[in-house]
Amino acid sequence: TQLLEQSPQFLSIQEGENLTVYCNSSSVFSSLQWYRQEPGEGPVLLVTVVTGGEVKKLKRLTFQFGDARKDSSLHITAAQPGDTGLYLCAGEGGGNKLTFGTGTQLKVEL
Amino acid sequence: KAGVTQTPRYLIKTRGQQVTLSCSPISGHRSVSWYQQTPGQGLQFLFEYFSETQRNKGNFPGRFSGRQFSNSRSEMNVSTLELGDSALYLCASSSGQNYNEQFFGPGTRLTVL
Repeated sequence: TQLLEQSPQFLSIQEGENLTVYCNSSSVFSSLQWYRQEPGEGPVLLVTVVTGGEVKKLKRLTFQFGDARKDSSLHITAAQPGDTGLYLCAGEGGGNKLTFGTGTQLKVEL
Repeated sequence: KAGVTQTPRYLIKTRGQQVTLSCSPISGHRSVSWYQQTPGQGLQFLFEYFSETQRNKGNFPGRFSGRQFSNSRSEMNVSTLELGDSALYLCASSSGQNYNEQFFGPGTRLTVL
């Protein structure tokens, strides 16, 4: 069974601070996705990383896929209240099956 | 393009009853997956249907079943409801390409009393 552990589980920060969320596994994934979920809604895809060592930027969000394709990180620069939500990583290990991480609940306060 | 729609949005049932949830995928998407989300267990995969066939299955009891119709719409059924089945049930569709990227609906909030 493939598991994806995210850390931290909860994060409460002030507007303008930087933060990093980690997604770790002992399994290799062919691709890894990051989603954000807001209350009362389904998760929304932010990015997909495919190549080991790949870095993708989405405005103030920077995503990195580990060289061995077992881990990933999400870094947010100058967080804003609109970044508040549940961040989920999801790895595809083959067979068209996604494994979702345990989630990181982020709250950004004014 | 319209997004994934799920009906109903909220549902209250009692133990022992059964329930059917419905999902309409994005037009052209042939893959539909179902997930259960709870505060304690997170997002857990139930099953995936592709072209009316169950392609993948998670580790849930047989009380959880699903099906997909020729127009790709999908239904999920839970029989003999238990209190622990209270959760947000999410449906997601995918084109089957692009690394299985999932497009989620808003979910159905099921409460079992």
